[in-house]
Amino acid sequence: AQKVTQAQTEISVVEKEDVTLDCVYETRDTTYYLFWYKQPPSGELVFLIRRNSFDEQNEISGRYSWNFQKSTSSFNFTITASQVVDSAVYFCALSKSGGSYIPTFGRGTSLIVHP
Amino acid sequence: DGGITQSPKYLFRKEGQNVTLSCEQNLNHDAMYWYRQDPGQGLRLIYYSQIVNDFQKGDIAEGYSVSREKKESFPLTVTSAQKNPTAFYLCASSIPKLNTEAFFGQGTRLTVV
Repeated sequence: AQKVTQAQTEISVVEKEDVTLDCVYETRDTTYYLFWYKQPPSGELVFLIRRNSFDEQNEISGRYSWNFQKSTSSFNFTITASQVVDSAVYFCALSKSGGSYIPTFGRGTSLIVHP
Repeated sequence: DGGITQSPKYLFRKEGQNVTLSCEQNLNHDAMYWYRQDPGQGLRLIYYSQIVNDFQKGDIAEGYSVSREKKESFPLTVTSAQKNPTAFYLCASSIPKLNTEAFFGQGTRLTVV
């Protein structure tokens, strides 16, 4: 069975602070995919990143960066110099590769960025 | 523009009534999913379908039903058997064989009055 744990229910920061959202996963598959999504107040989930299990390189996209560590089964997400527009619920998700691919989501972390 | 359309955005239902939530996609995706979102619960899978005329129960299928008569459409019926239907419902689609991310609709907020 797959499981995704986002232990931080809610994080509150002041604008321009850096913030890291944690994601720990469990799976018995050797090939799998990890995702992060953002859910703004409008409700629709917006895809941020996909990472396969064979690619442990960290990734940076503007103020966003992701740290994938297979040894600790973690896929953490860092926002540098946070902005009010970053306020949202962030979900980490996991899926196995191929045919019976069903995304499993964590409970989400609510990020509140204060001006 | 390609995407997923859920309707209506807000829905009110009286206790004891069935109600159907619409989900349509023009992305030509094979798989479609229904998730339920409650505060602090994350996204829980209700039903999913990987091909037309076939669907499988997810983790919380009781009190719900679906159909997949067309590739583009995956409506969800919330029946009177669902004890606590008030929630935010999200529909998604993907291409499993390509391991793509899931594309989501804007959601339907269902309230039982």
